Amino acid sequence: AQSVTQLDSQVPVFEEAPVELRCNYSSSVSVYLFWYVQYPNQGLQLLLKYLSGSTLVKGINGFEAEFNKSQTSFHLRKPSVHISDTAEYFCAVSDQSNYQLIWGAGTKLIIKP
Amino acid sequence: NAGVTQTPKFQVLKTGQSMTLQCAQDMNHEYMSWYRQDPGMGLRLIHYSVGAGITDQGEVPNGYNVSRSTTEDFPLRLLSAAPSQTSVYFCASRTGITGELFFGEGSRLTVL
Repeated sequence: AQSVTQLDSQVPVFEEAPVELRCNYSSSVSVYLFWYVQYPNQGLQLLLKYLSGSTLVKGINGFEAEFNKSQTSFHLRKPSVHISDTAEYFCAVSDQSNYQLIWGAGTKLIIKP
Repeated sequence: NAGVTQTPKFQVLKTGQSMTLQCAQDMNHEYMSWYRQDPGMGLRLIHYSVGAGITDQGEVPNGYNVSRSTTEDFPLRLLSAAPSQTSVYFCASRTGITGELFFGEGSRLTVL
């Protein structure tokens, strides 16, 4: 069975500082990987996804993530955060044969002015 | 372009009452799903559908029913509401197993 672990429930960071949100997964098969963002009182929206090819994936709002197969990780990074990045971020994984996504518990990004 | 539309946005029920959360999408997506979101627990799949007339259970199906008579609509029925069903519910749809999952804005349900 697949599982997703987001190691930090909250990450506080100063505005304009870099940030990394960690995601590790376990799976016995090849997977697709996703990061979604949820702004307060909204639904989730896709930040970026890894399907194949280059392990460095760029998404919206200046975010990027790197797929590391040997470490089964898909960490999300941004070089300089803004107040508007305040949100909860979810990592998700699916195997390559069905629609279901397995979700991490989420990481709240808290931007300190 | 409406995307995924959920109604109602807020609902308060008494224990034992029944209700239906509506979900409609206008993107011709074959896959639709219902999640519940509770603090610290991420998203948990309740039911899903891969096409009209086809539904299946997710991780937490007890107490909920679904049907999919058209591609566009996927209502979620609470049969006899319990306080444990107090949650935020999201409907989501996608096309293909690599496609983006599009979410509605959520329905906040409180069961007293």
